[in-house]
Amino acid sequence: ETGVTQTPRHLVMGMTNKKSLKCEQHLGHNAMYWYKQSAKKPLELMFVYSLEERVENNSVPSRFSPECPNSSHLFLHLHTLQPEDSALYLCASSQTRSQPQHFGDGTRLSIL
Amino acid sequence: GENVEQHPSTLSVQEGDSAVIKCTYSDSASNYFPWYKQELGKGPQLIIDIRSNVGEKKDQRIAVTLNKTAKHFSLHITETQPEDSAVYFCAASPRGGNTPLVFGKGTRLSVIA
Repeated sequence: ETGVTQTPRHLVMGMTNKKSLKCEQHLGHNAMYWYKQSAKKPLELMFVYSLEERVENNSVPSRFSPECPNSSHLFLHLHTLQPEDSALYLCASSQTRSQPQHFGDGTRLSIL
Repeated sequence: GENVEQHPSTLSVQEGDSAVIKCTYSDSASNYFPWYKQELGKGPQLIIDIRSNVGEKKDQRIAVTLNKTAKHFSLHITETQPEDSAVYFCAASPRGGNTPLVFGKGTRLSVIA
């Protein structure tokens, strides 16, 4: 139990579908992150939220839309994705942006 | 920006032997270096970290060393066990604190019983 829970664990969707990934942290942390993990590539940071405010967006396509309604919850809204978006999407949290990050177990996303 | 190189990409060792994974970084201002272990079907888990004001840190069978002059840091696992088999990632925090981590590509460690 890492204290960071991601749902769903697996998701298969067509390119025209709209879905959302959810992340919840029970650690009282103030920063939350979305990462993309593809085979044989480094972890790619997508978004960073600190105290519910987006502080970094690493040039992610607009078909990915994050939402952070409070410090415990983070969403990633997906629409009109491409096959190359198939990957493991990881959520992480930390007390502050300079503190160690704690990861969830990810959502395995497959785009048909 | 920061660039982190990790070697080797795969490593096989006999149970009981030691394993060493090495990383280099490019930004001399980086001052925080964590190591993560990712088991199959799980997210990365922090196993040890080191800050630039120390050269070595140890936690039971795991140790990390840092050479700031050469800009490299290493993970050492002694007396390896089958449950150490996983993918290990190094990371560096560029421009010192309050900035997101930059990760290496990972090392798949296999411990053969």
